[in-house]
This record gives sequence, C-alpha cells and structure tokens, in this order.
Amino acid sequence: NAGVTQTPKFQVLKTGQSMTLQCAQDMNHEYMSWYRQDPGMGLRLIHYSVGAGITDQGEVPNGYNVSRSTTEDFPLRLLSAAPSQTSVYFCASKRQGSTEAFFGQGTRLTVV
Amino acid sequence: GNSVTQMEGPVTLSEEAFLTINCTYTATGYPSLFWYVQYPGEGLQLLLKATKADDKGSNKGFEATYRKETTSFHLEKGSVQVSDSAVYFCALSALYQAGTALIFGKGTTLSVSS
Repeated sequence: NAGVTQTPKFQVLKTGQSMTLQCAQDMNHEYMSWYRQDPGMGLRLIHYSVGAGITDQGEVPNGYNVSRSTTEDFPLRLLSAAPSQTSVYFCASKRQGSTEAFFGQGTRLTVV
Repeated sequence: GNSVTQMEGPVTLSEEAFLTINCTYTATGYPSLFWYVQYPGEGLQLLLKATKADDKGSNKGFEATYRKETTSFHLEKGSVQVSDSAVYFCALSALYQAGTALIFGKGTTLSVSS
C-alpha cells in the first residue's frame, strides 16, 4: 500500500514564486490535512478537509490555498512564496470516525 | 482554546534507562490523546493513543495514561534502547468548524546512547 504520498520531497523557490505541493492517499480516507513543522514549534495545522469540496482553515492558513476536488488528492498551493514559508510540510489523512492519522514523508521547502 | 504542552528537550539517556516525557493539555471537552514518533528523515507514526479518561495506551514498551484530573498524558518506557532515539510528539484531537484535526505539542527529542 502506498498510503500517503507527497511530492516533491525537496524544493527550493525564489521569493514571489508560486508552486503546488501534492498530496495523494489511496486509503479512501475522508479527512486530509496539511501541517508545517518548524524547529521548536512542533507541527501546526494549515488547512484541512473533511471530504471532497469541503475545506477549512487551521492555525496558520495565511499564504496558503487548498482545494479538494477528489477524495484522493489534497494539494497545497503557495501563490507567492515568502522566506517565512521555509519549512517541512506534512500531509495527513484519516478515515472518518477513526482516531489514527497517517502521515506522508514530508516536503522540505526552502524559499530564498 | 486547545493546546498541548510537552517538556522541552533534548532528553539524553543511556540504554536501559527509564524514560518519562511529560505532556499536559488544554481542551474543550474530552479529546482523544496521542503520542506520535518521528524517526530521522521520516514522517510521523502513531505510537499509542487513548480515547477516554483512565485509558492506558501502550505499544513497543511505551505507555501513557489519560489523566483527566491532571489533564496529562505522560509517556513512559521502563528501558529505552538506542533505536528509540527519535522526536516524540504529544497531540490531541481538536474539534474545528468543519471537523476534527490534530493539535501537536512542540516535540521532544530523545537521544539514547549505548
């Protein structure tokens, strides 16, 4: 089983560039979410989705957009990257009614 | 609001030592509580969980008990191994407007030497 797959694993962007971090899961999970991990800050929730067409903001949504057109995919878009968005990004999914979340391997993003 | 506070690291232990990593939480209602582990270069993996007061979660020799009266979920292991070296995150399931999501503590780095 592939589980939760994130691409790319590494990315360097220039300030002002845009890009999309991809996340796909093959477990038919309803819930998907994006976190960023920064030193000394733990993981902070950016956006989450409870199903296709339904998304909501988490703790730190500014500068990020999401959409959920299919159950499998939950891309995270940076419209104009800033150095403050340098971080490791994790996507997670879980089945509705379950308490266990499954995480991808992460995307390490550097904005210069 | 919802928050998780866990002890600052790093925690450095010798093999076979006893481990405690403290975790306390603030939440509305009675959330499920979790410990996740992150090995170097990897994503997070669920280590154990507890869904109601007085529940004890356990896995791989690690244990944690959901204490409602002290709002705590401390992680313990009687004898750590070098392979336990990792970052440990305490988390709770928080209710947001559209559904639930995890709220994490800042993480505690454990380093075990032989």
